Amino acid sequence: GQNIDQPTEMTATEGAIVQINCTYQTSGFNGLFWYQQHAGEAPTFLSYNVLDGLEEKGRFSSFLSRSKGYSYLLLKELQMKDSASYLCAAPGGNYGQNFVFGPGTRLSVLP
Amino acid sequence: DTGVSQNPRHKITKRGQNVTFRCDPISEHNRLYWYRQTLGQGPEFLTYFQNEAQLEKSRLLSDRFSAERPKGSFSTLEIQRTEQGDSAMYLCASSLGDSVLYNEQFFGPGTRLTVL
Repeated sequence: GQNIDQPTEMTATEGAIVQINCTYQTSGFNGLFWYQQHAGEAPTFLSYNVLDGLEEKGRFSSFLSRSKGYSYLLLKELQMKDSASYLCAAPGGNYGQNFVFGPGTRLSVLP
Repeated sequence: DTGVSQNPRHKITKRGQNVTFRCDPISEHNRLYWYRQTLGQGPEFLTYFQNEAQLEKSRLLSDRFSAERPKGSFSTLEIQRTEQGDSAMYLCASSLGDSVLYNEQFFGPGTRLTVL
């Protein structure tokens, strides 16, 4: 089965850099996803890693180490609107089609 | 709007009543998923359709829950004899393709269920 863990809460200052870690244990591996979810809204896709290394996309980057079962999401030049929950997810289930989500990391960006 | 839509957005019901939610996926997407999310937690998988076939159901999906996708387009999720523990946000997502590797899911806004 899958088990995904991430910190529950983090706080950072506007303009700073924050790293949100995710550790996972999966019976198979088909990539790791990061989603952003603002309070009361649907999750929206941020990034996908299937190979080791860093994927950069504007202010957001995501890193994966398959051997360590570890990923992180890096947010640069934080803005107030980045205050949200960040969900780490991996495909799971019998067909590898549904997501197993971590508990989410609630990030608060302070002025 | 070509995103995933869900109706109703909010539902308040009394314990013991039946409720039904609807999800309309992005039109060309062949896969549809239902998740449940409680406050402060990540979404939990409930069930998954590929076209009209229900391919997988979580152990979370008790006998009181049933989902359908009769023509491979919209889907309904019914909860019979609701219990207070059913109170949650019910999220629908859809995706396209046959690849196992990359499967970006697009989420709807969710239906928030409150069971009194």
